[in-house]
Amino acid sequence: EAGVAQSPRYKIIEKRQSVAFWCNPISGHATLYWYQQILGQGPKLLIQFQNNGVVDDSQLPKDRFSAERLKGVDSTLKIQPAKLEDSAVYLCASSLTGSPTDTQYFGPGTRLTVL
Amino acid sequence: AQSVSQHNHHVILSEAASLELGCNYSYGGTVNLFWYVQYPGQHLQLLLKYFSGDPLVKGIKGFEAEFIKSKFSFNLRKPSVQWSDTAEYFCAVRGNNDMRFGAGTRLTVKP
Repeated sequence: EAGVAQSPRYKIIEKRQSVAFWCNPISGHATLYWYQQILGQGPKLLIQFQNNGVVDDSQLPKDRFSAERLKGVDSTLKIQPAKLEDSAVYLCASSLTGSPTDTQYFGPGTRLTVL
Repeated sequence: AQSVSQHNHHVILSEAASLELGCNYSYGGTVNLFWYVQYPGQHLQLLLKYFSGDPLVKGIKGFEAEFIKSKFSFNLRKPSVQWSDTAEYFCAVRGNNDMRFGAGTRLTVKP
């Protein structure tokens, strides 16, 4: 079974530039999550999709971050404009149904450095 | 709001030593509890989870964890660690909403 795919693996940009990350979840998984993991901290949920609808985006900084999952499969997370404090690893995860007992399967992450 | 506290930032053990990593959470309702592990250069992956039933849960690679509701704790244990257990370990809690992770504990096992 193929895992969660993410690209790019690494990205270096200057502040005020824009950047986009892509995620393809495990086939058949209805729920997709984007997390931000700052160095030395645990992952923090940014947004959760159920199929192509948003379930929770309460911790997404909506003035600069946006995400979409148009066809209920793959997803894109965008930052525009980036700030220094956005330097982090951005993790995508998926789960079968989104139930609180579901296992979330994580991708390798995209490491973003903002200079 | 939910929160998760992992007491140890970095633990160093010799092979064959016993391991216990602490995890405490703050949440008033029904919780689902997880331990994830990240081996060097690899993805986060599930070690074990608890959502009901026997509070002592067994996971992969000989790990187990005990849910103690009165102490709001879900500590991870392994009786004898191996060099290959060197990794970062994250405790996570999920109520009805989002999953909250602790800051992680880095485990280094010396051969």
